[in-house]
Amino acid sequence: SQQGEEDPQALSIQEGENATMNCSYKTSINNLQWYRQNSGRGLVHLILIRSNEREKHSGRLRVTLDTSKKSSSLLITASRAADTASYFCATASSTLTFGKGTMLLVSP
Amino acid sequence: GAGVSQSPRYKVAKRGQDVALRCDPISGHVSLFWYQQALGQGPEFLTYFQNEAQLDKSGLPSDRFFAERPEGSVSTLKIQRTQQEDSAVYLCASGSSNSNQPQHFGDGTRLSIL
Repeated sequence: SQQGEEDPQALSIQEGENATMNCSYKTSINNLQWYRQNSGRGLVHLILIRSNEREKHSGRLRVTLDTSKKSSSLLITASRAADTASYFCATASSTLTFGKGTMLLVSP
Repeated sequence: GAGVSQSPRYKVAKRGQDVALRCDPISGHVSLFWYQQALGQGPEFLTYFQNEAQLDKSGLPSDRFFAERPEGSVSTLKIQRTQQEDSAVYLCASGSSNSNQPQHFGDGTRLSIL
């Protein structure tokens, strides 16, 4: 069964806007990872945040982690049409457990 | 190759047939994972290898599912007596260390059972 729950399930924005996706989980974790998946393709790792970290940046990506609330957020700034994809959070304990994902559509 | 390679990309089989899905991980990666992804869902863990040892097979849905990695590189996921509910995308991923670290995914095999 899937542990993470992403919110929203779908998000539609214009190019240049920011996109925020949230993830909630239930059990203790070693780290939390975000992946993206283009239609018909495999998942691509974006960023990993350890359980003792609160915020991490990578390019236009910003991830936060609140272990007390068992939640994480992914912010994509200045979105581009090429950011259109599904985004998944994955919690790492003994294995990776993925959520159901957020479908992001960025319109030109 | 530079990435994880899976074959075939698409597989259509009749209910009751056996299928075999192949995964060629990134060279040197010791960890290998299989996932099942239903339409509109996230990947669900099936099984995990560290080199040739299958360390976790808790996600395999039934004894019709079997995975092997005999020489610690290429892996095969076999499904016997396929059923319609086995229709899904099967993803393989490899990693350089343990299961907590970033994984590199192949593009998957889309399995359709008629």
